[in-house]
Amino acid sequence: GQQVKQSSPSLTVQEGGISILNCDYENDMFDYFAWYKKYPDNSPTLLISVRSNVDKREDGRLTVFLNKSGKHFSLHITASQPEDTAVYLCAAIMNQGGSAKLIFGEGTKLTVSS
Amino acid sequence: EAAVTQSPRNKVTVTGGNVTLSCRQTNSHNYMYWYRQDTGHGLRLIHYSYGAGNLQIGDVPDGYKATRTTQEDFFLLLELASPSQTSLYFCASRDSSYEQYFGPGTRLTVL
Repeated sequence: GQQVKQSSPSLTVQEGGISILNCDYENDMFDYFAWYKKYPDNSPTLLISVRSNVDKREDGRLTVFLNKSGKHFSLHITASQPEDTAVYLCAAIMNQGGSAKLIFGEGTKLTVSS
Repeated sequence: EAAVTQSPRNKVTVTGGNVTLSCRQTNSHNYMYWYRQDTGHGLRLIHYSYGAGNLQIGDVPDGYKATRTTQEDFFLLLELASPSQTSLYFCASRDSSYEQYFGPGTRLTVL
């Protein structure tokens, strides 16, 4: 089954508003959580990440919130701009015996309308 | 930032054809990965490796082989290509910090 899940395939936000993207995971052995930004036919680029010992991390307009008990993490983008329009992928890593693989959600398409 | 390159960038083959996709990273990362991207599925892990000569099976390995010849080079092999393998393929590498960097992608079409 899907170990990392983004339940909303799309989201539309007004310019200047807050975009909130959500991700749920199944296994509490995940210890690294990340958000990637992707344009159509381009490769994903890392936006922001946290380890499991941190509940929140800010970087400019971006904030990641991690809720370990709820197996949920989210990305908040403040002052959303049209150039934020893209697909956002959440991802998580479970490190087992030195073999770690990044598992992705299916993506949420964010549209920021002006 | 890590430099990851892929070749070819576009490839068209026929059903039953033999295809090799190449990936090279120049930042001495130990881990390298092959993903495919399909509408409705996001990025799915095919194979990965944590060093030269090492190979780990990913989540969708059927129909694919891979080989890590050096720390820099990771190849994905389709020995009998099928139309279901038409996709956009991404290679990635990462170091021990978990930050993963992707190549530009290879678009493969199997007719």
